[in-house]
Amino acid sequence: GAGVSQSPRYKVAKRGQDVALRCDPISGHVSLFWYQQALGQGPEFLTYFQNEAQLDKSGLPSDRFFAERPEGSVSTLKIQRTQQEDSAVYLCASTEGGEAFFGQGTRLTVV
Amino acid sequence: AQSVTQPDIHITVSEGASLELRCNYSYGATPYLFWYVQSPGQGLQLLLKYFSGDTLVQGIKGFEAEFKRSQSSFNLRKPSVHWSDAAEYFCAVGGVSDYKLSFGAGTTVTVRA
Repeated sequence: GAGVSQSPRYKVAKRGQDVALRCDPISGHVSLFWYQQALGQGPEFLTYFQNEAQLDKSGLPSDRFFAERPEGSVSTLKIQRTQQEDSAVYLCASTEGGEAFFGQGTRLTVV
Repeated sequence: AQSVTQPDIHITVSEGASLELRCNYSYGATPYLFWYVQSPGQGLQLLLKYFSGDTLVQGIKGFEAEFKRSQSSFNLRKPSVHWSDAAEYFCAVGGVSDYKLSFGAGTTVTVRA
């Protein structure tokens, strides 16, 4: 595709529900990142993939968060047993030449 | 550890006036610096980036930024703002060995007629 695509754009989850957020990076981009953007804040790093290898997951806030990229293309961020503090915009980015290209994000609201 | 400070949370500017957004960074090596713009409900769009070379960099939409190593700053400027420049602006720092970006908290720009 022309850019990074994320789905769904909006997700409302009841507390305790599991959610899965999808990211389709720009074709051919090796590196893929997930960021979390809380309301009124800048994005914060969650995790990083190079192809299918998850090289850094130091930003994942708890073991309820899990990310995968099994074939080195599409990535899924899964949050188990969602909590209210998980409410945020989740941004995906793929990079080339040191430049990150961001998707429009998924706005997760936990009620 | 790398970090970014954007001292101004909110700036209001008249259409046609100049704009300057401040960014200070902390980074242990040569930084890669970026400015992104985010409109409501949208992702981040890259305005400009600095990797090396000329410290004054030109970006899209008439924006420019100047890297000042001695001041650890990378301020964004535009000579004449348009109503469409109303958005949130983020400064970010990374590096050749730090693939992940650290963002500031952002500056919201309001443009009044």
